[in-house]
Amino acid sequence: EVQLVESGGGLVQPGGSLRLSCAASGFTFSTFWMTWVRQAPGKGLEWVASIKQDGTDKKYVDSVKARFTISRDNAKNSLYLQMDSLSAEDTAVYYCARNGRVDSWGQGTLVTVSS
Amino acid sequence: DVVMTQSPLSLPVSLGQPASISCRSSQSLVHSDGNTYLTWFQQRPGQSPRRLIYKVSNRDSGVPDRFSGSGSGTDFTLKISRVEAEDVGVYYCMQGLNWPLTFGQGTKLEIK
Repeated sequence: EVQLVESGGGLVQPGGSLRLSCAASGFTFSTFWMTWVRQAPGKGLEWVASIKQDGTDKKYVDSVKARFTISRDNAKNSLYLQMDSLSAEDTAVYYCARNGRVDSWGQGTLVTVSS
Repeated sequence: DVVMTQSPLSLPVSLGQPASISCRSSQSLVHSDGNTYLTWFQQRPGQSPRRLIYKVSNRDSGVPDRFSGSGSGTDFTLKISRVEAEDVGVYYCMQGLNWPLTFGQGTKLEIK
């Protein structure tokens, strides 16, 4: 069974940084693109970033380019999202998802940017 | 960017009645590999999204057969043949053809 468990969310001040992690199990992690999707409170889904199997190709939504960095460690079956220069608009539940086209989802981790 | 437009945004349905959600894309979702990358997700209240349908009409394992997807090119539909109480939630379409991946606004299904 595919399992994706996010961690690292919390309250951070505007301009601050946070690193999200996603622990994957139940599938061969190294053979899948991986993705982060976010959902602001009461709002819809927004794709944030995706990373290729070997980490050599990364895609970002324009609003996070140069601020967020997606990475992975295939030896640890883990996906990461380094988030810098955070603003209130980044407040959301962040979901880890398998595949570039998104098939399985984690339970999400809440990031709140507020002073 | 490919814009995904869903309608209606709110869908009150009586139990046992059919429901239909439309999703239109601003450009064709047909890939050069011949596949059409249109996906439907369900998000029940307080839960993570769950994939229901991929490549227009392929149902995921465990998805009841009352859910069906159809369409082509830029025009797609998710149908529920007989709505049950557990179907309450928000339904999203998503295109997987081009970066950035984009979602529809979501359609909130409620029981009338």
